[in-house]
Amino acid sequence: EDKVVQSPLSLVVHEGDTVTLNCSYEVTNFRSLLWYKQEKKAPTFLFMLTSSGIEKKSGRLSSILDKKELFSILNITATQTGDSAVYLCAVVLAPSGGSNYKLTFGKGTLLTVNP
Amino acid sequence: EAGVTQFPSHSVIEKGQTVTLRCDPISGHDNLYWYRRVMGKEIKFLLHFVKESKQDESGMPNNRFLAERTGGTYSTLKVQPAELEDSGVYFCASSQVPGLSTDTQYFGPGTRLTVL
Repeated sequence: EDKVVQSPLSLVVHEGDTVTLNCSYEVTNFRSLLWYKQEKKAPTFLFMLTSSGIEKKSGRLSSILDKKELFSILNITATQTGDSAVYLCAVVLAPSGGSNYKLTFGKGTLLTVNP
Repeated sequence: EAGVTQFPSHSVIEKGQTVTLRCDPISGHDNLYWYRRVMGKEIKFLLHFVKESKQDESGMPNNRFLAERTGGTYSTLKVQPAELEDSGVYFCASSQVPGLSTDTQYFGPGTRLTVL
């Protein structure tokens, strides 16, 4: 069965700290990996990763994929209280016939940044 | 550009009743997905539409769940009759025609369903 595992499940840090969130996967027909940030409502898209070793960066957030070791990390530097959210990792599986690019999610990491 | 919208935000019903959830995808997105998050578990795939056709409904829990997308625009997900274990947050997502640069699915805010 396809599986995505995120760690830690929960993390509490102080403003200014740097955090690393982990996502490992065991899936068939890997296509891409997505990171989302979920605050109160809709998960909002952060990054899509398809190639190993190429860092994606957006402000204080960055992410990288290792397709050999089957994991990705999401780094947040100089955290702020506004970074508090659930961070979701999801893997897109290449469809075997058809065109269903469904997402398989991990449980998420709840990040709390205290002032 | 308007995002994915869902209605209602929260629905509380009694066991045995019927509920219909609605999703309006981003305009022009042919692909529409339904997902569900049950408390304590990960978000799980329910089904996928391409325009008005069901591409994959392998994640639908049972035949009490019926999804439609007449006309290929908005979609509804009906639960009839609802059971306690159907409680959770139902997310809708949409995406463009799949291609390596368009795997990204954009999510709505979800509908929280509580079955008492």
